Amino acid sequence: DIQMSQSPSSLSASVGDRVTITCRASQSVGAWLAWYQQKPGKAPNLLIYKASSLQSGVPSRFSGSGSGTEFTLTISSLQPDDFATYHCQQYNSYSPTFGQGTKVEIK
Amino acid sequence: QEQLVESGGGVVQPGGSLRLSCATSRFTISKFGMNWVRQAPGKGLEWVAFIEYDGRKIQYADSVKGRFTVSRDTSKNIVYVQMNSLRPDDTAVYYCARGRGDPPQQFFDYWGQGTLVTVSS
Repeated sequence: DIQMSQSPSSLSASVGDRVTITCRASQSVGAWLAWYQQKPGKAPNLLIYKASSLQSGVPSRFSGSGSGTEFTLTISSLQPDDFATYHCQQYNSYSPTFGQGTKVEIK
Repeated sequence: QEQLVESGGGVVQPGGSLRLSCATSRFTISKFGMNWVRQAPGKGLEWVAFIEYDGRKIQYADSVKGRFTVSRDTSKNIVYVQMNSLRPDDTAVYYCARGRGDPPQQFFDYWGQGTLVTVSS
């Protein structure tokens, strides 16, 4: 299986900050990479698919980039509603795998 | 807004069985690949199983292969996962998730609220 690794595992940031989360794959997944936001006690919510395509209804402050083995999720100006855990997922095969998650906390 | 509703979770002893259900009235499951994804307490997400839109292809994670069986009832618009020989490390919230894209390249665009399975004596 393809292993996914996110960094950092957690971060503290303030409202208005620019936040970047990195996701690395153990082998190339092309652009088959999605990002999800998850709040405590809730299901994940799709933010980005195909590395950089914004899911309908997701605010434009979220953006994704990358291809192959290295990807980033950027929040251009962190809002109070954005404090959550973010997961990347590769879907290059019938065995999709997720990163361990990055928790974004209030500084 | 699409809606998926899981049910069937609970507490079961090691070696026991449970069947989870995922129902929706918002779309037709025979038009989408459907997946089960789980999350152990305080841990990350783990994909568990997939059933293709026409039911022809079914895939499982190695961790559940031979113990879990995914199926569907298109007349009721429900997806199931039968979980046998449950182990303590199967303890997790189990989510049903709709696949989007052409298999195998599918991401998950809608998720249910999850149902908790606890395997403990």
